[in-house]
Amino acid sequence: DVKVTQSSRYLVKRTGEKVFLECVQDMDHENMFWYRQDPGLGLRLIYFSYDVKMKEKGDIPEGYSVSREKKERFSLILESASTNQTSMYLCASTNLHRYTEAFFGQGTRLTVV
Amino acid sequence: GNSVTQMEGPVTLSEEAFLTINCTYTATGYPSLFWYVQYPGEGLQLLLKATKADDKGSNKGFEATYRKETTSFHLEKGSVQVSDSAVYFCALGVSFNAGNNRKLIWGLGTSLGVNP
Repeated sequence: DVKVTQSSRYLVKRTGEKVFLECVQDMDHENMFWYRQDPGLGLRLIYFSYDVKMKEKGDIPEGYSVSREKKERFSLILESASTNQTSMYLCASTNLHRYTEAFFGQGTRLTVV
Repeated sequence: GNSVTQMEGPVTLSEEAFLTINCTYTATGYPSLFWYVQYPGEGLQLLLKATKADDKGSNKGFEATYRKETTSFHLEKGSVQVSDSAVYFCALGVSFNAGNNRKLIWGLGTSLGVNP
């Protein structure tokens, strides 16, 4: 069974902390994505990566960075967490050669206090 | 540019009612179209897809037809169940560089509640 796994379901962090959200996929997919999901705003793309060590900014990259050192792992980093980064974070991956079907992790609910 | 406009919710129906959730898109080239579903407390999962004009995607009693002339991909189900209560997202698959890489453009989601 194909799988995208996010390291935490729920996370509570303090303002100013550096936060790491990890995502691992076991499908050998080239493309990986980080989204945040907020009520009324749908899914907003933060960053994506189409190859190891490659990254592209999405629609709302400010305050975030990413790392992709291995094909199966894509990390989202909040350099200095703020309360407006409280959200649901979703990781997804897709295969280069298929019709962009995306597989999602279960999501990480991050609360910054 | 590329965009997806999806019917606003929430939508509340009684069990066995007919469901339509409208989705229209703007795109260049030949996009793929998708419906994803998110059940409470979970990530998104693919419900159905269509990769070219006039294709019909179907799954679990849901259907959607890729209409290029009206740039639409409306989701329908003849008889909804309580277990269909979820958020439904329409999405467009488009190229983002000169190669074959693609990314998804998302609608805002439509929340569906079905009462027994």
